[in-house]
Amino acid sequence: EAQVTQNPRYLITVTGKKLTVTCSQNMNHEYMSWYRQDPGLGLRQIYYSMNVEVTDKGDVPEGYKVSRKEKRNFPLILESPSPNQTSLYFCASSFLKSNRDRYNEQFFGPGTRLTVL
Amino acid sequence: KQEVTQIPAALSVPEGENLVLNCSFTDSAIYNLQWFRQDPGKGLTSLLLIQSSQREQTSGRLNASLDKSSGRSTLYIAASQPGDSATYLCAVKKTQGGSEKLVFGKGTKLTVNP
Repeated sequence: EAQVTQNPRYLITVTGKKLTVTCSQNMNHEYMSWYRQDPGLGLRQIYYSMNVEVTDKGDVPEGYKVSRKEKRNFPLILESPSPNQTSLYFCASSFLKSNRDRYNEQFFGPGTRLTVL
Repeated sequence: KQEVTQIPAALSVPEGENLVLNCSFTDSAIYNLQWFRQDPGKGLTSLLLIQSSQREQTSGRLNASLDKSSGRSTLYIAASQPGDSATYLCAVKKTQGGSEKLVFGKGTKLTVNP
């Protein structure tokens, strides 16, 4: 089944304790992205990646890191989490628009609800 | 900077009614527009994708239209059902300098009453 998976789905942690949220897709998509969703603010892009070893900042990258060592995986790293990073996080993937033979629809993972105390 | 607006923020209708959700965007230079559905606490499910060269897309009881020149899209839901209750999000994809970016509206929360 074509899908985007995220782990963990729920996480409660404390300020300053490094954590990683994993994201994996099985559709051979070039493009992967992380978003956070907050009440009243909607979905905002954190980081995105156009391909392996190619990453760039989105609208709200402060406090986050990403890596893209393999095409299928795009982990989100919080080196020193703070309470303002409490949010619902989504990973998404799609083919690039330059991949003319492929439909450019964006697929989302189920979300990770993070609470930083 | 691309901004996406969805009006109304919330909508409540009786079962069986046809309804229209609105999405507007400030920059008409978009690559595509996608409508999503989100159930409370859940992920986003893609409903319809309209490429910039298209005017509309249909899937079952859903029909999405796109008017790039006026910066508007509508999602039409026919014969609404209680199971259609969810938040509906629209997102436009922009391409700039080789990068791709999806910009979301804040959504319309739809409640269909039995």
